[in-house]
Amino acid sequence: DSGVTQTPKHLITATGQRVTLRCSPRSGDLSVYWYQQSLDQGLQFLIQYYNGEERAKGNILERFSAQQFPDLHSELNLSSLELGDSALYFCASSVDGLAGFKQFFGPGTRLTVL
Amino acid sequence: GDSVTQMEGPVTLSEEAFLTINCTYTATGYPSLFWYVQYPGEGLQLLLKATKADDKGSNKGFEATYRKETTSFHLEKGSVQVSDSAVYFCALSDRSGSSNTGKLIFGQGTTLQVKP
Repeated sequence: DSGVTQTPKHLITATGQRVTLRCSPRSGDLSVYWYQQSLDQGLQFLIQYYNGEERAKGNILERFSAQQFPDLHSELNLSSLELGDSALYFCASSVDGLAGFKQFFGPGTRLTVL
Repeated sequence: GDSVTQMEGPVTLSEEAFLTINCTYTATGYPSLFWYVQYPGEGLQLLLKATKADDKGSNKGFEATYRKETTSFHLEKGSVQVSDSAVYFCALSDRSGSSNTGKLIFGQGTTLQVKP
C-alpha cells in the first residue's frame, strides 16, 4: 500500500459526458502528479500541483482540468469524453515536487468511455 | 524534448535466468533516472533510482548503473523468479532549472514473464 488513494477504482461512462477522478496523497506529501496510461500512448504525464498551485503541465487536453485543494487532495476533471479517453489514470504524490524525489503511485482509476 | 527508449518486450525467461532490460535516454539537462515496476492490476512501485552519473541503484536483487557516456540505465538481475513477472518502466526526471518539477517521462514499458 503506497498510501495514495484514488477513487473511484472503475468508471464507465458514455461519450460526451464529464467525470471527476479524485486523489488523496500520502500524508505529508505536498505535490500531486496525474498520469494517463493507455495502450497506444503508454504512460504520459498530464499535470502536477504543488501545495495548491499548478507547477507543470504535460500533454493534457483542453477538455481536461485539475486542481489541488487546501487539504492537498486533487481532482482531475475530464469533460466531453471521447472513446480515446479510455485509459488508466494514475495519481502520484511526493514530499517535494522536485526531480529525484520518490513518487508514490495510487492504484489508478480505470476509465471506460462507451 | 526528453525521452526514454526501452527494449521491446515481452521478455520470457526461465526461473534463475539472467535478466537485462535495456534503457536509453535523451535529455538536455541532468536527469535523475528510475526503474518502476507494475504488477498486474496494481499501480507503479519504485524499484530503484540513480541521481547522477556512475551511480548504481539497487533493490531486491535488481541493479542499474547511470551511464552518462552511453546515456543508458540498463536493468539487470542475476537470477529471476516467477514473482518478478511484471511490467518494468524506465523513467527520467529532469533536474535542470525550470524543468526541475519532478515530472516523470516514461519509456514504453517491457513485459517480463518468468516461467518455472
